[in-house]
Amino acid sequence: TQLLEQSPQFLSIQEGENLTVYCNSSSVFSSLQWYRQEPGEGPVLLVTVVTGGEVKKLKRLTFQFGDARKDSSLHITAAQPGDTGLYLCAGHYDNAGGTSYGKLTFGQGTILTVHP
Amino acid sequence: ETGVTQTPRHLVMGMTNKKSLKCEQHLGHNAMYWYKQSAKKPLELMFVYNFKEQTENNSVPSRFSPECPNSSHLFLHLHTLQPEDSALYLCASSQEEGFMYTGELFFGEGSRLTVL
Repeated sequence: TQLLEQSPQFLSIQEGENLTVYCNSSSVFSSLQWYRQEPGEGPVLLVTVVTGGEVKKLKRLTFQFGDARKDSSLHITAAQPGDTGLYLCAGHYDNAGGTSYGKLTFGQGTILTVHP
Repeated sequence: ETGVTQTPRHLVMGMTNKKSLKCEQHLGHNAMYWYKQSAKKPLELMFVYNFKEQTENNSVPSRFSPECPNSSHLFLHLHTLQPEDSALYLCASSQEEGFMYTGELFFGEGSRLTVL
């Protein structure tokens, strides 16, 4: 069973601060995704990383996939109140049939609160 | 109109009731999913349907019964639930295989279920 551990579980910071959320696993994933979920909404995909060592940037968000494809990090620069939400990492693993049909293993999430 | 629509948004039911959750996707996807989201726990995959055929039943108790009449609609029938089944139930869709494959799940806003 593949497990993803996210840390920290809770993060409360002031506007303008930087932060990093970590996602770690003992298993190798074919790809890893980060989702953001706001209260009363479903998760929305932010990014997918596929290649070990890959770095992707989305405005103030920087995503990195570990070289061994077992871990990932999300770094937010100069956080804003609009960044508040639940951040979920999710790993995609291959099944015997060669397609995964969305079988994502999710971490338990990081609840981020950015205070004005 | 959102891509994935879930109804009802909120449901309160007794342990002896029978109710159903409905999900409709307007994205032309060929795969649909039910996930359970409980506090402080990772998102749990319950059922997967691909081309209307159930391809995954993740050891879900029989008091949860899925139905997928076509590739756009997905139901979750609920019967004699327990208080510990209270959670947010998320429906998602994706396009699996072919040139449109992105590995991205598109979630609905969820149905908040409370079992008394």
